Amino acid sequence: DQQVKQNSPSLSVQEGRISILNCDYTNSMFDYFLWYKKYPAEGPTFLISISSIKDKNEDGRFTVFLNKSAKHLSLHIVPSQPGDSAVYFCAASAITGTASKLTFGTGTRLQVTL
Amino acid sequence: NAGVTQTPKFRILKIGQSMTLQCTQDMNHNYMYWYRQDPGMGLKLIYYSVGAGITDKGEVPNGYNVSRSTTEDFPLRLELAAPSQTSVYFCASSKRTVTYEQYFGPGTRLTVT
Repeated sequence: DQQVKQNSPSLSVQEGRISILNCDYTNSMFDYFLWYKKYPAEGPTFLISISSIKDKNEDGRFTVFLNKSAKHLSLHIVPSQPGDSAVYFCAASAITGTASKLTFGTGTRLQVTL
Repeated sequence: NAGVTQTPKFRILKIGQSMTLQCTQDMNHNYMYWYRQDPGMGLKLIYYSVGAGITDKGEVPNGYNVSRSTTEDFPLRLELAAPSQTSVYFCASSKRTVTYEQYFGPGTRLTVT
């Protein structure tokens, strides 16, 4: 049962254009959403997050949008740069018991071309 | 700050062997986690800990054990390795649960043959 879905395994975008990465979730108990970026042979690194009480969060070139009614979030990268080429994971969190547990999507590989 | 460190980086095990994956963090984080990532899949939580002496199961705990005797260290033990445990293992830590952001180590790539 995949509670967090990233239906596009890969995305190719030209440098300078907008990259839009999508994520859908099914569990209405999720209250916090995060995007992680992962380079080969490295661990994921936190990129940006959004609470379920907001519908938008912006940090420099990165903006995350949350549509709770559609259970959908997206990550916008503007402008895209070659260094953004990586795998992006969407993750959702719900507090259960004593800790927040993250549920990850399967990732979208972004390639930014020159 | 080294952040979260994991050893070894790579390991090949034979079926039935056992090993311990080491994880250390120097950020004084209370919460620590172990994940595995299979090819083409997202990360799945194996075990987590909310502080020294306290551990709990995640989504895929079978075949693994953990302990947390100090704040800094959170080793993951594999007993009787099986080919299904071939994966990349990531350790992570976070300051507190409400922060949500987790900091990850570089991973250990394990192959069981």
